[in-house]
Amino acid sequence: GQQLNQSPQSMFIQEGEDVSMNCTSSSIFNTWLWYKQDPGEGPVLLIALYKAGELTSNGRLTAQFGITRKDSFLNISASIPSDVGIYFCAGPISGGSNYKLTFGKGTLLTVNP
Amino acid sequence: GAGVSQTPSNKVTEKGKYVELRCDPISGHTALYWYRQSLGQGPEFLIYFQGTGAADDSGLPNDRFFAVRPEGSVSTLKIQRTERGDSAVYLCASSLIPGANVLTFGAGSRLTVL
Repeated sequence: GQQLNQSPQSMFIQEGEDVSMNCTSSSIFNTWLWYKQDPGEGPVLLIALYKAGELTSNGRLTAQFGITRKDSFLNISASIPSDVGIYFCAGPISGGSNYKLTFGKGTLLTVNP
Repeated sequence: GAGVSQTPSNKVTEKGKYVELRCDPISGHTALYWYRQSLGQGPEFLIYFQGTGAADDSGLPNDRFFAVRPEGSVSTLKIQRTERGDSAVYLCASSLIPGANVLTFGAGSRLTVL
């Protein structure tokens, strides 16, 4: 099946540091979604991007929809301990069903207080 | 309810047994989705319900898996003759707009097949 490649697979940072992670694919996406999953919980939507080149912020989070429509990145500024979790990029592949999301394998973020 | 509710939160069963997992979506959400998340992976699409009918079941791995939503609200995912490879977290999600890609997920049901 189609794949989303997320990098890095894991990150270990100090509280207060900025974080950057990205997602790439060989397929074109019409929408990029960034989710966060805490242990024992389902993914929670952080940011949705709908247009190539779009840059969107949600508090300390900023995400961009790549110009080629094959990539996206997520930045977290001034990290805090509650940022710990797994971050997934996801989206429906262009030409596919809008509700059928493809997820990456996730980036595990650990924040050291 | 306020969120998507899934029961049980954990289920341990033996190989070959039958299992049912329940999902209660957000009140008023007509669209319901099941995804499966294996260890170390992102969720994978299983099935999409619009109302009572399965609009797309192309993600179900084989005919041991079946899901129903008889009254257009609560859904049950049924797995027959469970295998060890079925062990995963089964996530349910719902959306207000049918076929939308902005989904609200439940906490999942963790299935372990021994």
